[in-house]
Amino acid sequence: AQSVAQPEDQVNVAEGNPLTVKCTYSVSGNPYLFWYVQYPNRGLQFLLKYITGDNLVKGSYGFEAEFNKSQTSFHLKKPSALVSDSALYFCAVRDMEYNQGGKLIFGQGTELSVKP
Amino acid sequence: DSGVTQTPKHLITATGQRVTLRCSPRSGDLSVYWYQQSLDQGLQFLIQYYNGEERAKGNILERFSAQQFPDLHSELNLSSLELGDSALYFCASSPTNSKTSGRAFRSYNEQFFGPGTRLTVL
Repeated sequence: AQSVAQPEDQVNVAEGNPLTVKCTYSVSGNPYLFWYVQYPNRGLQFLLKYITGDNLVKGSYGFEAEFNKSQTSFHLKKPSALVSDSALYFCAVRDMEYNQGGKLIFGQGTELSVKP
Repeated sequence: DSGVTQTPKHLITATGQRVTLRCSPRSGDLSVYWYQQSLDQGLQFLIQYYNGEERAKGNILERFSAQQFPDLHSELNLSSLELGDSALYFCASSPTNSKTSGRAFRSYNEQFFGPGTRLTVL
C-alpha cells in the first residue's frame, strides 16, 4: 500500500532562516509526489510536484523540494522563511495502483510557524 | 483562486438530516475528487468521478453518495448525519493527462482544490 509520513507535527523557524519540512514515502513503482499548503479556513494550494527528472523541484512562493530515492524522502525547503509562510503543509503521493483513480494519499500535515 | 468552486461554504445541520454539497471543477477538467478533512482522520479520499463515471472509491460511508452531471459539476450527498460527520469536505479537479488501460484510470497530474464546505452536525 502507498503511504506518506510527515514525522514532525510542528516546525518552528525564525524569519529569514532556512526551513525544511520533512516527508518520507512508501510506494510500489514510481512515486508521484506533491506538496500542498493550507492557510486557515482555506483550501489546499498546490506548491510543487515531482514526477520524473531532476531531483530538485522548484515551486511556488520560493519553495523547492528535494527528491531522494535512496532515502525515500521528499523534503520541502525554502532558503529564507517569511512570517507569511506560516501554515499547514501536506505532503502527498499519487496512488497509481489499478483502479485507484490516481487519488492523493496525504501525510498527516506539518504546522509551520515562522516567528519575526 | 484554484478555479474550483464549492457551495455552500458552511452548513450547520442536525443529526439524522441529509445535505448536498456541490462542486464545479476547473474549466476543462473531467476528473473530480472528494476528500474529507477531520482532526482525527486527517485528509481522506472519498470518491472520484471522471466524465460522469465513478472511477475510484475510498473510505466513503454507505450513507454518503456522489454523482457527476453532464456539465461536469459534482454533488456529494450525505444522509442520516451523525456528529462524527462534522468535517471540512473538499472537492478537487485534475487535468486529464493520464494513463489508461482498460478500466484502469490513473492520473499523475496535480489536483486543484476548492475552498471546501465546512459541515457542522449538532
